[in-house]
Amino acid sequence: NFMLTQPPSVSESPGKTVTISCTGSGGSIASNYVQWYQQRPGSAPTTMIYQDDQRPSGVPDRFSGSIDSSSNSASLSISALKTEDEADYYCQSFHDNSVVFGGGTYLTVL
Amino acid sequence: QVQLVESGGGLVRPGGSLRLSCAASGFRFSDYYMSWIRRAPGKGLEWVSDISNSGTYTTYGDSVKGRFTISRDDARNSLFLQMNSLRVEDTAVYYCAREGQYSSGVDSWGQGTLVTVSS
Repeated sequence: NFMLTQPPSVSESPGKTVTISCTGSGGSIASNYVQWYQQRPGSAPTTMIYQDDQRPSGVPDRFSGSIDSSSNSASLSISALKTEDEADYYCQSFHDNSVVFGGGTYLTVL
Repeated sequence: QVQLVESGGGLVRPGGSLRLSCAASGFRFSDYYMSWIRRAPGKGLEWVSDISNSGTYTTYGDSVKGRFTISRDDARNSLFLQMNSLRVEDTAVYYCAREGQYSSGVDSWGQGTLVTVSS
């Protein structure tokens, strides 16, 4: 079974840069596109990155996505951190006609 | 703009049934794959099911296979999820979601509807 593993939590200070990892197992992460979603407490998710590294309109360029085939992982980087970035972040991909989510990472900005 | 509005959530006993609906507007509904995704209390996002733009193809997560049925009515711009044999572990907020083109994941989300399964 294909799985995506994320660290449960990360923390960083305002103004700094943080990177959240998403490691694939049971298959190649490069075989299908990876998306990233943000979910603030009490709100619905929103899409921050699609097709590995594309930003939907309205998402600030402080958010960027990448894929590293050598480590079979995807990453979401957020620069110039703001307190409003504090949220759960989920990576997502596909495998065998199924949608697979990572377990989520809670970002604390303090 | 794209709007997805879920309804039909509520409190139901274990073993019971519930039907969720999602009213879509602001886009050509019949062109898009649609999904249901849920988040249980204290857990992460979990994909439940999706349906092709024609309604011909449906897929389900292992935890709901055989109990849930996804369907759509393009004339009414509506998506549905029939949930049978509900379990306590199905308690979650259920989100209606539009899938983007070319395997780009979800590009629009509804606000969610809460389903609570409890005796």
